Amino acid sequence: DAKTTQPTSMDCAEGRAANLPCNHSTISGNEYVYWYRQIHSQGPQYIIHGLKNNETNEMASLIITEDRKSSTLILPHATLRDTAVYYCIVRLRTSSSGSARQLTFGSGTQLTVLP
Amino acid sequence: DAGVTQSPTHLIKTRGQQVTLRCSPKSGHDTVSWYQQALGQGPQFIFQYYEEEERQRGNFPDRFSGHQFPNYSSELNVNALLLGDSALYLCASSLVGQVRNTEAFFGQGTRLTVV
Repeated sequence: DAKTTQPTSMDCAEGRAANLPCNHSTISGNEYVYWYRQIHSQGPQYIIHGLKNNETNEMASLIITEDRKSSTLILPHATLRDTAVYYCIVRLRTSSSGSARQLTFGSGTQLTVLP
Repeated sequence: DAGVTQSPTHLIKTRGQQVTLRCSPKSGHDTVSWYQQALGQGPQFIFQYYEEEERQRGNFPDRFSGHQFPNYSSELNVNALLLGDSALYLCASSLVGQVRNTEAFFGQGTRLTVV
């Protein structure tokens, strides 16, 4: 799976949009971009994933550049409860061995939403 | 619908002892993966079980073993505990589809402290 690079930490004012960048310059054509977050002392929570088109769900939006070498996770109106470590992961979505692809976590971005 | 449940939530063991951690996957899921998360780091993949067999394994010694039961629940066993095994142990479940897999859902983890 391709390696990702994320800033170590970011701050965001409550109510403003939080834009979390991720670089994945070695991504291959069939690898997806996944985002998970982990609130302190809890298990990681799935947020969103995409292949090449922009995606939106009730939690966030994912913007993937045309060359797919980077992406941005957008939390449109950040709240204090969005304070967490955000992980950007690139991986294949299917496996030929009849098993699910593992997730390779990096260090992630610590997002702190300030009141 | 219960999500992924893990037990116990906290555990203290002595060096050299053995420990068993348990995981019940989200309803409808058939695959269980285990991750170890040391303090301040991202989760690291240990292994994955599907159809009661270990399908994938990360870079962990044979002291780490597991099992999956017919009801898809799983156990993680660690023998000859070391101080360095102190970590949050996370269980993730997913459904292996014929075309693509579902996203992984994580439990809240078991905090293991080895003294």
